[in-house]
Amino acid sequence: GAGVSQTPSNKVTEKGKYVELRCDPISGHTALYWYRQSLGQGPEFLIYFQGTGAADDSGLPNDRFFAVRPEGSVSTLKIQRTERGDSAVYLCASSPELTPSTDTQYFGPGTRLTVL
Amino acid sequence: GDSVTQMEGPVTLSEEAFLTINCTYTATGYPSLFWYVQYPGEGLQLLLKATKADDKGSNKGFEATYRKETTSFHLEKGSVQVSDSAVYFCALSAPPGNTGKLIFGQGTTLQVKP
Repeated sequence: GAGVSQTPSNKVTEKGKYVELRCDPISGHTALYWYRQSLGQGPEFLIYFQGTGAADDSGLPNDRFFAVRPEGSVSTLKIQRTERGDSAVYLCASSPELTPSTDTQYFGPGTRLTVL
Repeated sequence: GDSVTQMEGPVTLSEEAFLTINCTYTATGYPSLFWYVQYPGEGLQLLLKATKADDKGSNKGFEATYRKETTSFHLEKGSVQVSDSAVYFCALSAPPGNTGKLIFGQGTTLQVKP
């Protein structure tokens, strides 16, 4: 079946601009996660959705970052007033949420964001 | 806070050599432990996991045992292949909150030469 998809695969923007990154999770998966991966590092947690609500947004670095999942499926990560330090690969993952702490998370291919 | 530490890479081995990638963790409570792998040009995928102490996860010839006494989850394979060349990430999911949030190590690059 279809895996997690993310669009766009690459996004180049200028400092100060607004960007939106989209994630389509595996059908039926109620849990959705966003992570950010900088070059040479492991992914860092940003936010976790349980259905439509953000159950844990403790990883969002500041108020320029916001994410929504209005219908409990597709999610959009929004970054305002982008800075060069926001350049990274943004990963989305979903899981069936049978038992969140032990579930396998299925990752998308990521969106590579470059802020010039 | 919770954290994961992996051995520095890159690790370069000849085909059929024995592999160990060390992983240690710090966590409150009783975490679940994972190894994820990223093959060249592909996304992260689960390799194996263990959810309680002394559990052994295994897949594709790889194994790792959850050692609570040494807070470790070392990845091993008896005979590596060129196709095992990838970046390997150790991760944990820890209470409280049961959110499934993963905390990753920095990754270890494995290169296997024919």
